[in-house]
Amino acid sequence: GAVVSQHPSWVICKSGTSVKIECRSLDFQATTMFWYRQFPKQSLMLMATSNEGSKATYEQGVEKDKFLINHASLTLSTLTVTSAHPEDSSFYICSARAPGLAGQETQYFGPGTRLLVL
Amino acid sequence: SQKIEQNSEALNIQEGKTATLTCNYTNYSPAYLQWYRQDPGRGPVFLLLIRENEKEKRKERLKVTFDTTLKQSLFHITASQPADSATYLCALGTGGFKTIFGAGTRLFVKA
Repeated sequence: GAVVSQHPSWVICKSGTSVKIECRSLDFQATTMFWYRQFPKQSLMLMATSNEGSKATYEQGVEKDKFLINHASLTLSTLTVTSAHPEDSSFYICSARAPGLAGQETQYFGPGTRLLVL
Repeated sequence: SQKIEQNSEALNIQEGKTATLTCNYTNYSPAYLQWYRQDPGRGPVFLLLIRENEKEKRKERLKVTFDTTLKQSLFHITASQPADSATYLCALGTGGFKTIFGAGTRLFVKA
């Protein structure tokens, strides 16, 4: 139980294009999902917290118009990187909380999406 | 400022030995602390959670301690195996269940 998937697993795009990443909780309902980005050998940096049916809460320094988050249902959240630039190249990971499974504190992570912007 | 520190140098140990990883934090008062495992190019996998009122938690070959006075958690893997080689992340739980991650320590277990 508590499986989170992400799609695509990797994407290469040209500078200026937009890229959408999907995060799905496969066997549970996730009221809260999180989006992180991770640079090589660095820690996970929380970008935003999304709750189903409401606007995402962005961390300081994260441009909400650049990184659009939609949590349309209890099993799906999407992150859209708009007008991507090479500096947006990173590893993007989503996670979901499943309070009923292991307490409210535990997060279940997706496998990550590697984005390369040329 | 708030900091979570994990040993940035990789830890190399021999198979069968106990691996001990350290997580120190400053200017936090976490309600709980978690340890995750992350393999290259993959998302983290939850291992253990320990709350502020708990001293020690065990799960199979894993043991975690939490000292809120020292502001430190130790993560032990006993009878280590090459398959335990990975990066281990320490994460603090703050208000509102927001989780702050350390940069991780890379563990190599040699056969």
